[in-house]
Amino acid sequence: DGGITQSPKYLFRKEGQNVTLSCEQNLNHDAMYWYRQDPGQGLRLIYYSQIVNDFQKGDIAEGYSVSREKKESFPLTVTSAQKNPTAFYLCASSIGGLNRNGEQFFGPGTRLTVL
Amino acid sequence: AQTVTQSQPEMSVQEAETVTLSCTYDTSESNYYLFWYKQPPSRQMILVIRQEAYKQQNATENRFSVNFQKAAKSFSLKISDSQLGDTAMYFCAFVGGSNYKLTFGKGTLLTVNP
Repeated sequence: DGGITQSPKYLFRKEGQNVTLSCEQNLNHDAMYWYRQDPGQGLRLIYYSQIVNDFQKGDIAEGYSVSREKKESFPLTVTSAQKNPTAFYLCASSIGGLNRNGEQFFGPGTRLTVL
Repeated sequence: AQTVTQSQPEMSVQEAETVTLSCTYDTSESNYYLFWYKQPPSRQMILVIRQEAYKQQNATENRFSVNFQKAAKSFSLKISDSQLGDTAMYFCAFVGGSNYKLTFGKGTLLTVNP
């Protein structure tokens, strides 16, 4: 089955530690995205990538980093510079390119808690 | 910049009744797409319905339909014959022009009561 996987489902981090959230897709989509979800805030875009080896900052990129070395993978690192990292993180992908219709497909999410 | 506004933070409806969720947006783009996503308690985001701005006909998917008013920049979601499984957070979203990014509203929490 085609889809998006995120791991782990739950992640606990001590203050000052960097952690990396995994996102993998087998939909052959060009574009991938990371969102952060907080209560009452909806989804806010952290980073997005339209093609391998290229990515752009979203609306709340400070304290986060990403890489896009493979089409299938778009890991997100939450660094110690992120002051309030406790949140629910969603990864998404879309077809991209000229055939795009904007629809994004979402993974099941990772709940990050800072202890 | 595009903005999406959902003015109803919470709504409730009785099972089998009809409910309408509101969404307005602001954009200068002429070609764009609008979406309603559902996020049940499992937190998995699920696409409910999609509307292409150049299509005048309102999109329909089974019990879900939209009222797309392009001039008013309004995109409401109607859920008919509400079911308990419809209980979820509903997000309105927009993508337009050459921009890949989805802009989301803050969501409406819908509760279907038995």
